[in-house]
Amino acid sequence: RKEVEQDPGPFNVPEGATVAFNCTYSNSASQSFFWYRQDCRKEPKLLMSVYSSGNEDGRFTAQLNRASQYISLLIRDSKLSDSATYLCVVNRGSNTGKLIFGQGTTLQVKP
Amino acid sequence: DVKVTQSSRYLVKRTGEKVFLECVQDMDHENMFWYRQDPGLGLRLIYFSYDVKMKEKGDIPEGYSVSREKKERFSLILESASTNQTSMYLCASSYRGYSNQPQHFGDGTRLSIL
Repeated sequence: RKEVEQDPGPFNVPEGATVAFNCTYSNSASQSFFWYRQDCRKEPKLLMSVYSSGNEDGRFTAQLNRASQYISLLIRDSKLSDSATYLCVVNRGSNTGKLIFGQGTTLQVKP
Repeated sequence: DVKVTQSSRYLVKRTGEKVFLECVQDMDHENMFWYRQDPGLGLRLIYFSYDVKMKEKGDIPEGYSVSREKKERFSLILESASTNQTSMYLCASSYRGYSNQPQHFGDGTRLSIL
């Protein structure tokens, strides 16, 4: 089983749609969770951290379910510029700086 | 803004050459990382350093070594380059001491070994 699993997609959605990505992780000791965005042939960039109570940043909402070891990202009112690969990222255990990156979910937003 | 700078965006080298990839960060981060990214395999950790002169092997250290002589600089060395080391190499840095610290990446180096 992969340490971080994501549906690779692609998710093809029209502009304005709401889309949700899910991710599961295997290490119950993980304490840090993030979503990164990666554009084609570019470096990953931090989109948002994920907190236990859930958190929102504009059109983006992240949720964490520790009991199920599950993380989600919701994008509302999709824009063309949201087209990218979204990486689910967790740390490797308590008090370690090392992160495990999922292989990513590709989103294509169409006009 | 955090700035992580990698020395080259594109690099072409020959089989058997010794290759140096350099990375510099300006945020006084303790942790620095080298990854490679290949289609279908995602990001894989090569080496990690949590302090000057300290290093730790990642998941795929074979054929690589690293050097951290100064806090801001982390070098990746391909001892004798081979064609299977053709890849995108990404350097990242983060603070140490808190669990919820994201990593910040450089632009990446696309390395081709001929």
